[in-house]
Amino acid sequence: EIVMTQSPATLSVSPGERATLSCRASQSVSSNLAWYQQKPGQAPRLLIFGASTRATGVPARFSGSGSGTEFTLTISSLQSEDFAVYYCQHYNNWPPITFGQGTRLEIK
Amino acid sequence: EVQLVESGGGLVQTGGSLRLSCAASGFTFSTYTMNWVRQAPGEGLEWVSYISSSGSTIYYADSVKGRFTISRDNAKNSLYLQMNSLRDEDAAVYYCARGWDPYGNWFDPWGQGTLVTVSS
Repeated sequence: EIVMTQSPATLSVSPGERATLSCRASQSVSSNLAWYQQKPGQAPRLLIFGASTRATGVPARFSGSGSGTEFTLTISSLQSEDFAVYYCQHYNNWPPITFGQGTRLEIK
Repeated sequence: EVQLVESGGGLVQTGGSLRLSCAASGFTFSTYTMNWVRQAPGEGLEWVSYISSSGSTIYYADSVKGRFTISRDNAKNSLYLQMNSLRDEDAAVYYCARGWDPYGNWFDPWGQGTLVTVSS
């Protein structure tokens, strides 16, 4: 099973600043990685697939990078609606599919 | 509009059974793979099961293998999850989510979820 580890667990950032979230896989997942945003009481929403491709309707301030075992989700200028929990998920050499434990992005 | 709507959640005793449903609309259901993903209260996301577009290929997480059964009815645009021998640790919000095989099994969109509570 591929273990996905996200860091930090909680990130405090001021609106308008840049946020950088990390995700590490226990073995290479190539570019088979997705990022999701989840707000309280809501279902997760796909942001990024293929490590760097934005899903339909996702603002350009969201960008994904990385391959192999190290991945980054960057939010260039935080808006109030971006404060949420973010999850990474691999879909390489599955089953099983696994998620990271999540990073909570909070207002500083 | 692409939409997934889950139903069937509720309170069940430990060892009991429950059948979840997911009604799909706004897309050609029969051409897409589908998944169930769950989230225990205050916890992260756990993939539960996958079914191919025709239903011929099925996978389960080890935590539910032998107890849960995924199925689909393409004529009714519906996905199901039969859950037997429920345990306390199965309590969660259960989401159905569309997969994108053969391009990759990321999940988009997700339903709003249905809550399963397991109590002894």
